[in-house]
Amino acid sequence: AQSVTQLGSHVSVSEGALVLLRCNYSSSVPPYLFWYVQYPNQGLQLLLKYTSAATLVKGINGFEAEFKKSETSFHLTKPSAHMSDAAEYFCAVSRFYSGGGADGLTFGKGTHLIIQP
Amino acid sequence: DTAVSQTPKYLVTQMGNDKSIKCEQNLGHDTMYWYKQDSKKFLKIMFSYNNKELIINETVPNRFSPKSPDKAHLNLHINSLELGDSAVYFCASSQESVGGYGNSPLHFGNGTRLTVT
Repeated sequence: AQSVTQLGSHVSVSEGALVLLRCNYSSSVPPYLFWYVQYPNQGLQLLLKYTSAATLVKGINGFEAEFKKSETSFHLTKPSAHMSDAAEYFCAVSRFYSGGGADGLTFGKGTHLIIQP
Repeated sequence: DTAVSQTPKYLVTQMGNDKSIKCEQNLGHDTMYWYKQDSKKFLKIMFSYNNKELIINETVPNRFSPKSPDKAHLNLHINSLELGDSAVYFCASSQESVGGYGNSPLHFGNGTRLTVT
């Protein structure tokens, strides 16, 4: 079964500082990985995805993530935090059922990003 | 043009009642999902539908019944509501059919916050 673990339920950074949100995955097959952002009272918006092309993936709003197979990680970074980045961030991995095909995503427990002025 | 839309946005009801949540997507996707987000923000898949056919029911009580009149709509009906059903319910769609490679993201609606009193 596929799973993701997000280290740190809350991360606090100063405005202008580096943002680093951690995600480690477990998968019996080559994984497809995603990062989503959820603003208060809204749905989930795709930030970026890794689908086995480039290991460094660039997304929207200045975010990027690097797939590291040796570390089973897919950490999300942004060089300079902005107040508008305050939100909940979810790492997700494609789930595969016993028949072998894909069926939706399995999500991590989320990381709440707080931006200090 | 909202890609995945859910109604209502808020739903407050009493225990024992029956309620429905509607979902529509205008992306032309074949696959739709229902996810439940609990008070700790944890997201769990409930159902997946591929072209109007139920594929996966993730150990959800049979008080929950999805209905798909056509591939653009996936409604969720809940009978005999319980306090523990209080959560945010998200509808999502994917261009990838169930059983595919798993490299397509999910597109989420803005959620329905269900409160059972």
